[in-house]
Amino acid sequence: EDQVTQSPEALRLQEGESSSLNCSYTVSGLRGLFWYRQDPGKGPEFLFTLYSAGEEKEKERLKATLTKKESFLHITAPKPEDSATYLCAVPSGWETSGSRLTFGEGTQLTVNP
Amino acid sequence: EAGVTQFPSHSVIEKGQTVTLRCDPISGHDNLYWYRRVMGKEIKFLLHFVKESKQDESGMPNNRFLAERTGGTYSTLKVQPAELEDSGVYFCASSLREGLLETQYFGPGTRLLVL
Repeated sequence: EDQVTQSPEALRLQEGESSSLNCSYTVSGLRGLFWYRQDPGKGPEFLFTLYSAGEEKEKERLKATLTKKESFLHITAPKPEDSATYLCAVPSGWETSGSRLTFGEGTQLTVNP
Repeated sequence: EAGVTQFPSHSVIEKGQTVTLRCDPISGHDNLYWYRRVMGKEIKFLLHFVKESKQDESGMPNNRFLAERTGGTYSTLKVQPAELEDSGVYFCASSLREGLLETQYFGPGTRLLVL
């Protein structure tokens, strides 16, 4: 059974204080990894797809990286508006069209001004 | 382009009652998924439609849950009769058929509380 573990569960940063979130996974044949952002009372919002080990993606202050066992979401000089829960997910199953996602529990990030 | 929409946003019902949740996917998205997040746990898969067909319903917890997608457009998820442990946030997601790895776009969720 595929498993995704995220750490830390919660992270509190000062504005401008860079840090990283971790997502480790155990899957039978990794086909990719997704990062989502979720704000309170809303659904997950897509951020990145990483397809293979060594790949990196960037968007504003966020940079996602992928190795064979884990992924990191690096946040550089965060701002209060970056406060959210960040979710990591991997596709499970081998269907001809689409795959269910296995999620981690998320990291709740708070950035104080 | 309109995103995934869900109705209602909140529902409070008593144990034993019936509740029906609705999801309207992004237009043109053949894949439609239902997920659920219960308190303190991760988001978990319930089932997957491709158009009107159930592709994978391995995550459905029991036969009190019935999902339909008539005509391959919107989908409903009915819980009958509801139990206390059904409380949680139910998310719907949709995606294009892009092979083995597609991006799923999520709706805002329906918050269900069973008393």
